[in-house]
Amino acid sequence: NAGVTQTPKFQVLKTGQSMTLQCAQDMNHNSMYWYRQDPGMGLRLIYYSASEGTTDKGEVPNGYNVSRLNKREFSLRLESAAPSQTSVYFCASKRSAGGDDTQYFGPGTRLTVL
Amino acid sequence: GENVEQHPSTLSVQEGDSAVIKCTYSDSASNYFPWYKQELGKRPQLIIDIRSNVGEKKDQRIAVTLNKTAKHFSLHITETQPEDSAVYFCAASQGGNQFYFGTGTSLTVIP
Repeated sequence: NAGVTQTPKFQVLKTGQSMTLQCAQDMNHNSMYWYRQDPGMGLRLIYYSASEGTTDKGEVPNGYNVSRLNKREFSLRLESAAPSQTSVYFCASKRSAGGDDTQYFGPGTRLTVL
Repeated sequence: GENVEQHPSTLSVQEGDSAVIKCTYSDSASNYFPWYKQELGKRPQLIIDIRSNVGEKKDQRIAVTLNKTAKHFSLHITETQPEDSAVYFCAASQGGNQFYFGTGTSLTVIP
């Protein structure tokens, strides 16, 4: 039982390049999330998916797109990376929108945009 | 949207002493308040949570208190140990999918 996994662990991009961050969970959770973590800012929600087939914007969605590929996988895409997107990105999942509200986080992806 | 403020941003205590971290929230509709511990270079992990129908919850050396009227909640760690050194985050949610996090408290326990 791996929990929540993310790839890659580290990535360096040049301004304007694109990339996709991958996230998968094996806990049969319905809800999945993408956060970014910046120094002194805590965790901020980028996008979430309450269930397979649905996605919604969080606090800071600009510059990002997401895809809920199936119940297990939720990807985050940067179409044209900017230095302001340098951050640590965490994927998370939880069983459902209500009930058990425990979020389980992945190990994170450290992204640097030059 | 919700606004969560967390204080202090850094906290140093002697081993064996208690540590208290405080958070305030702005939206009275928030009803779920988790606390996460994040060790250096690791993922955030839930350590304790509280719902709005409860005033206090304890788990061994960790406790959380909630004052709905004042819209604040606190994390209390007693008998601190060096392994408690980490960054702690509070969060608030209305029980759905939007979680709003505080900016974190870096706790150092001095042996």
